[in-house]
Amino acid sequence: EAQVTQNPRYLITVTGKKLTVTCSQNMNHEYMSWYRQDPGLGLRQIYYSMNVEATDKGDVPEGYKVSRKEKRNFPLILESPSPNQTSLYFCASSLRVAGANVLTFGAGSRLTVL
Amino acid sequence: DAKTTQPPSMDCAEGRAANLPCNHSTISGNEYVYWYRQIHSQGPQYIIHGLKNNETNEMASLIITEDRKSSTLILPHATLRDTAVYYCIVRGIQGAQKLVFGQGTRLTINP
Repeated sequence: EAQVTQNPRYLITVTGKKLTVTCSQNMNHEYMSWYRQDPGLGLRQIYYSMNVEATDKGDVPEGYKVSRKEKRNFPLILESPSPNQTSLYFCASSLRVAGANVLTFGAGSRLTVL
Repeated sequence: DAKTTQPPSMDCAEGRAANLPCNHSTISGNEYVYWYRQIHSQGPQYIIHGLKNNETNEMASLIITEDRKSSTLILPHATLRDTAVYYCIVRGIQGAQKLVFGQGTRLTINP
């Protein structure tokens, strides 16, 4: 089944403890991205990647790192998490369809930083 | 990029057609109209997209006005499972990697 898989789905951690949220897609998509969703603020893009070794900042990149060493994986790294990074995170990958960018999203990772 | 305006909420009876409007009066010629939906806190789901012509797929129809300043997403026979937040997004080819999700329309399907 074509899908984007995120892990963990739920995580409670403490301030300053490094964590990684993994994202993997099995559709051979070149483009991948990370979003966070907060009440009243909607979905905001954190980072995106156009291809292997090509990443760029989205709208809210502060406090996050990403890497794209292979096409299928795009992990989100929080080096020193803080409570304001408590959020619902979504990874997405996409395929160009006649010039348009059609996103497939993962199921989400709910992160709580105490 | 063109900004979109959607009603914050709508109701529709089960089995009826749900028509969700979207205004994008500043859209430019090479910008696509995308529709996604999000059920509860699940990952957003792609529904349909179009450039100039009306489009239909197994989920919905997209009607774009001739001047392209507005569009309507039509769910022909709404079910309770269509209750969700629906997002209308306008984005060009150059910026296609950065879809911006607004507040969307919260559609409630009533039995």
